[in-house]
Order: sequence, then structure tokens, then C-alpha cells
Amino acid sequence: AQTVTQSQPEMSVQEAETVTLSCTYDTSESDYYLFWYKQPPSRQMILVIRQEAYKQQNATENRFSVNFQKAAKSFSLKISDSQLGDAAMYFCAYSTGGSNYKLTFGKGTLLTVNP
Amino acid sequence: NAGVTQTPKFQVLKTGQSMTLQCAQDMNHEYMSWYRQDPGMGLRLIHYSVGAGITDQGEVPNGYNVSRSTTEDFPLRLLSAAPSQTSVYFCASRTGDYGYTFGSGTRLTVV
Repeated sequence: AQTVTQSQPEMSVQEAETVTLSCTYDTSESDYYLFWYKQPPSRQMILVIRQEAYKQQNATENRFSVNFQKAAKSFSLKISDSQLGDAAMYFCAYSTGGSNYKLTFGKGTLLTVNP
Repeated sequence: NAGVTQTPKFQVLKTGQSMTLQCAQDMNHEYMSWYRQDPGMGLRLIHYSVGAGITDQGEVPNGYNVSRSTTEDFPLRLLSAAPSQTSVYFCASRTGDYGYTFGSGTRLTVV
């Protein structure tokens, strides 16, 4: 079974600084997708960034970027120029390709942004 | 286009009571799923459906029933609520490009 591990239960960052959240996963599949979701206090699940395993180029969305290391099964999220609105719980998630649509989540990292 | 709509947003049940959490999507997504979120546990898959008439169990299915009679609706039934089912429940549907759309969640307390 696939597993997703987030080793940092909590992280903090100063406003305008950069922070990296870690995620590792375990799979024997070659076709899969990785996601980072943000959950603010409103509890809404918001997709931050998505990476297809077959793409070597790291995904980027504005201030958010990932470091995807396929051989090491690592998928870290970098937040640049952190803003107060970035404070939230962040979840790393995995899904295989094809017809298996199930998302497997890590346990989450609570990010605090200090002014 | 409302996306994924969950009702109710909050619910308090007594042990042994039954209830149905509603989930509806208007995006014609074939895949729908239910997750529960507990502190320190992330989100865990309860049940999922790949189309009308087809459902299957996820990681934590005990105590929950589902059915899928239409593409739009995927209700989650608690037959006899237990305090261990106190949680936040999310419904999600999948787009063709492997993106998932989540509902706003239901906070359920069983006393």
C-alpha cells in the first residue's frame, strides 16, 4: 500500500522568508501524481500545486514550488516570500494514475507565519 | 457551477442515532469519495465511487454505508453513530486531469 509521510508536524517562518515543507512517499508504481493541499482555519481544502511523476521539471505556482526527487521518493514544498495568509495546515497527497483515483494523505504540517 | 456541496456543515448526534451526510456535485464527475479528518491523522478514505451504481471501501469503512444512484449524489450514511465517529467529513470529486475538488466539510460530534 502507498504511504505518505510528513515528518514535520509543525513549522514556523518569518513573514517574507522562505520555508520548505518535507514529504516522502512509498510506492512501487511508475505512473502517479503528487499534490500539496492547504487547509486554512476555514477547513476548506485548497489545491496548492500538483506534480505528475513522468515530468522531470518541478512544478511551480507563483510563490510555491516543489522539489520532486523521484528516485528518493521525496516531494518537498517551498514557499517563498511567506505571507500571513500562508498560515495553514499543509497536506501532501499521492494518487496513482490510470483508474485508481484514491488519494492518500500525509498527516499534515501546521505552518505558522510570524509577523 | 457550485462545485461540491456538502450538507449539513455541523451536526450533533447521540450515540446510536443514524444520519446521512449529503454530497452533491454539478461537474459531471464520475469519481466521488468520502474522507474523514481526525487530529494528527490527516484525511483517511472511507468509501469511494467510480460511477453510478459502483462503490467500494476505502481505508476506514466500518460503520458507514454509501450508495450512488446518480452521478451527482453520493450520500454517506451512519447507521448507528458512535463517539469514535466524531470527526470532520469531506466529500471530494475528481476531474479528468487528476485534480480533486473538495466540499467544505461537515463537523460531526457524537455524544
